[in-house]
Amino acid sequence: EVQLLESGGGLVQPGGSLRLSCAASGFTFSSYAMSWVRQAPGKGLEWVSAMSGSGVNTYYADSVKGRFTISRDNSKNTLYLQMNTLRAEDTAAYYCAKGHVRFFDYWGRGTLVSVSP
Amino acid sequence: QSVLTQPPSVSAAPGQKVTISCSGSSSNIGNNYVSWYQQLPGAAPKLLIYDNYKRPSGIPDRFSGSKSGTSATLGITGLQTGDEADYYCGTWDSSLIAAVFGGGTKLTVL
Repeated sequence: EVQLLESGGGLVQPGGSLRLSCAASGFTFSSYAMSWVRQAPGKGLEWVSAMSGSGVNTYYADSVKGRFTISRDNSKNTLYLQMNTLRAEDTAAYYCAKGHVRFFDYWGRGTLVSVSP
Repeated sequence: QSVLTQPPSVSAAPGQKVTISCSGSSSNIGNNYVSWYQQLPGAAPKLLIYDNYKRPSGIPDRFSGSKSGTSATLGITGLQTGDEADYYCGTWDSSLIAAVFGGGTKLTVL
């Protein structure tokens, strides 16, 4: 059974940093691209970033480019999202999702990030 | 404002059929696969349709997908109260080099 478990969310001040983690199990992690998708309170889904299975290729939404960094440790079956220079508009539930270009077939339950003074 | 356009809401009675549209452009829907997601209240999104019309294992055939040109459609037949949820279309945008979603459609089963 595929499982994705996010962690690392919390309350942070504007300009601060957080690192999210996503522990994956139930599939060959290194064989699949992985993504982060966020959802602001009461709003729709917004794709944030993706990384290829090998970790060679990375992709970012314009809204986070230069501030967020995606990475993965295939030996630990874990995906990360380093978030720097956080803004109020980054407040959202952050979901880890398996997949990238064609579809996202499994999603974690999400971790909440709140950026507020 | 979302790259893909969906109606904010649709409604129908139990047992009836409903369709949800998703409109895009040649840089996204026109040249890439479309997927659909169901998000029940308080839950994470769940894949309903991938590659325009395919259903993952466990998704009932009451759910169907189609694509024509730069638009896609999700169909749900035999509506149940448990189908009340937000539905999102998604695809890749080759110009933005980004995954994109529609703004979401809230389905109410009256």
